[in-house]
Amino acid sequence: AQKITQTQPGMFVQEKEAVTLDCTYDTSDQSYGLFWYKQPSSGEMIFLIYQGSYDEQNATEGRYSLNFQKARKSANLVISASQLGDSAMYFCAMREGQGTYKYIFGTGTRLKVLA
Amino acid sequence: DTGVSQNPRHKITKRGQNVTFRCDPISEHNRLYWYRQTLGQGPEFLTYFQNEAQLEKSRLLSDRFSAERPKGSFSTLEIQRTEQGDSAMYLCASSLEASMNQPQHFGDGTRLSIL
Repeated sequence: AQKITQTQPGMFVQEKEAVTLDCTYDTSDQSYGLFWYKQPSSGEMIFLIYQGSYDEQNATEGRYSLNFQKARKSANLVISASQLGDSAMYFCAMREGQGTYKYIFGTGTRLKVLA
Repeated sequence: DTGVSQNPRHKITKRGQNVTFRCDPISEHNRLYWYRQTLGQGPEFLTYFQNEAQLEKSRLLSDRFSAERPKGSFSTLEIQRTEQGDSAMYLCASSLEASMNQPQHFGDGTRLSIL
């Protein structure tokens, strides 16, 4: 069965520092997608970054990058130059490669950026 | 792009009452998803529509839950005879059919509280 594991319930980072949020996944599919979303206290889910299972390069979007290690089945999110507005819940999600394309989410990591 | 819209934002009701939530997806998106998120957890998949057809339902969706998407536009999620365990955030998401890397775009959610 497909599964996403986020082992860090909470993380602290100093403003302007970089932080890595861990995500490991389990699937028997060859084709899949990995997504990271940010959920502020207001509740909306904001898409951050995507990595496809066949992508050879690590994905980057502005201050966000994804450290994709396929053999280890990990897809860690790196946030560089943290800002106070980065304080939120962060969810890693996997999408199966066929059918409904529904997401399976991890339990999330709460990030707090300190001034 | 007006985004995914969900109404109401909050719903408080007594146990045993029926409730209905509405989701208006991004206009050109033909895929629509409902998820449920309880406190401290990631969203869990409930059901999926492609245009007006409901193609998958999770085992989480008991007989008290029903979802519709008439004409392939907005969707409604109804819960009959609400129970305490139904208290959660109900999230709607939509996406284009096109390809794996299309992210799901989420609404702000409807927070349901059962008294």
